[in-house]
Amino acid sequence: EVQLVESGGGLVQPGGSLRLSCAASGLTFSNYWMSWVRQAPGKGLEWVANINQGGSGKNYVDSVKGRFTISRDNAENSLFLQMDSLRAEDTAIYYCAKFRDYFENWGQGALVTVSS
Amino acid sequence: AIQMTQSPSSFSASTGDRVTITCRASQGISSSLAWYQQKPGKAPKLLVYGASTLQSGVPSRFSGSGSGTDFTLTISCLQSEDFATYYCQQFYSYPYTFGPGTKVDIK
Repeated sequence: EVQLVESGGGLVQPGGSLRLSCAASGLTFSNYWMSWVRQAPGKGLEWVANINQGGSGKNYVDSVKGRFTISRDNAENSLFLQMDSLRAEDTAIYYCAKFRDYFENWGQGALVTVSS
Repeated sequence: AIQMTQSPSSFSASTGDRVTITCRASQGISSSLAWYQQKPGKAPKLLVYGASTLQSGVPSRFSGSGSGTDFTLTISCLQSEDFATYYCQQFYSYPYTFGPGTKVDIK
């Protein structure tokens, strides 16, 4: 059974930074693209970023380009999202997902709140 | 970016009803569409991909159809556990985008 467990969420001031982690198990992690998807409180879903198997290929939604960086450590079966220059509109639950063009498996999410 | 719309945005239904949710893309996306179910406080769950392929473990009362710009998700006989919000998502081109969701609640 695929399990994805996010960590690292919390409260941060505007302009601050936060790093999310996602620990994967139950799959051969290095075989799959991975993604981050977010959901603002009471709102819909928004794809944020994804990364290919080796970590060399990355894609981002325009609103986070230059501020967020996705990365992975295949030896540790872990996915990361480094979030810098955070804004109030980045407040959301961030989900880690196994990516196959669609989002096949999801973690339980990590809440990020950007507020002073 | 490809815009996704869904209709209706919400509705009430009864257990046993046949339910249809519509998703429309702002341009043709072939069959590059997925459907998700989300319950309050939970992560989304993949139901259908490739417009009509049922994800493993998803009950056969769920079905998807369509291609190009117009798609539907049908629940043939609504069960109590199906009251949730449903999202479509296109994976034809970046940025991958979701519809705004359709909330199905109890009549």
